[in-house]
Amino acid sequence: KAGVTQTPRYLIKTRGQQVTLSCSPISGHRSVSWYQQTPGQGLQFLFEYFSETQRNKGNFPGRFSGRQFSNSRSEMNVSTLELGDSALYLCASKETTSSGGELFFGEGSRLTVL
Amino acid sequence: GENVEQHPSTLSVQEGDSAVIKCTYSDSASNYFPWYKQELGKRPQLIIDIRSNVGEKKDQRIAVTLNKTAKHFSLHITETQPEDSAVYFCAALADNQGGKLIFGQGTELSVKP
Repeated sequence: KAGVTQTPRYLIKTRGQQVTLSCSPISGHRSVSWYQQTPGQGLQFLFEYFSETQRNKGNFPGRFSGRQFSNSRSEMNVSTLELGDSALYLCASKETTSSGGELFFGEGSRLTVL
Repeated sequence: GENVEQHPSTLSVQEGDSAVIKCTYSDSASNYFPWYKQELGKRPQLIIDIRSNVGEKKDQRIAVTLNKTAKHFSLHITETQPEDSAVYFCAALADNQGGKLIFGQGTELSVKP
């Protein structure tokens, strides 16, 4: 099976712009989660989608949003970018939304905000 | 909500020595505790996990222990090798929280030959 695929891998934006990141989960995986990774804060949970519905949400401002399509692919959007949004954004998938079970991560989208 | 504290933030050991990384969690409802390894420039990958009904789990050179009463769990790596050098993250997950893993801040392990 193909792993979790994220696009784009690298991108540079300026403050005030918006960005959309894409994630294709492992085939058959219906749960997709997004994490922000920064050197100082580690891995922070953004949100989780399952069957096109947001199931959980982390403590990020409303500028961070996401969605999931019927084929389980997911996108996250960040509007009005700030310098502090520079980070590696990781997507992870798992088969179900039940407790436990391995999260399979993508390689991430590295966002730089200038 | 859940909060996970991880120590130490950096750890340097000689090849062949043991390494121990400790985590504490705050939410008594958490019942699943995985450990992820992230090599430089790579994605995090699960190396071992433990559920709250088990006190210890071992897989070759790595083991995890859990003390539910004290709300802490630890990763033990024996006979460390240079390829063990990576950042290790502990995490906690409460029931009915799906994929909402709460991660510790990470420990950068360096194994010197």
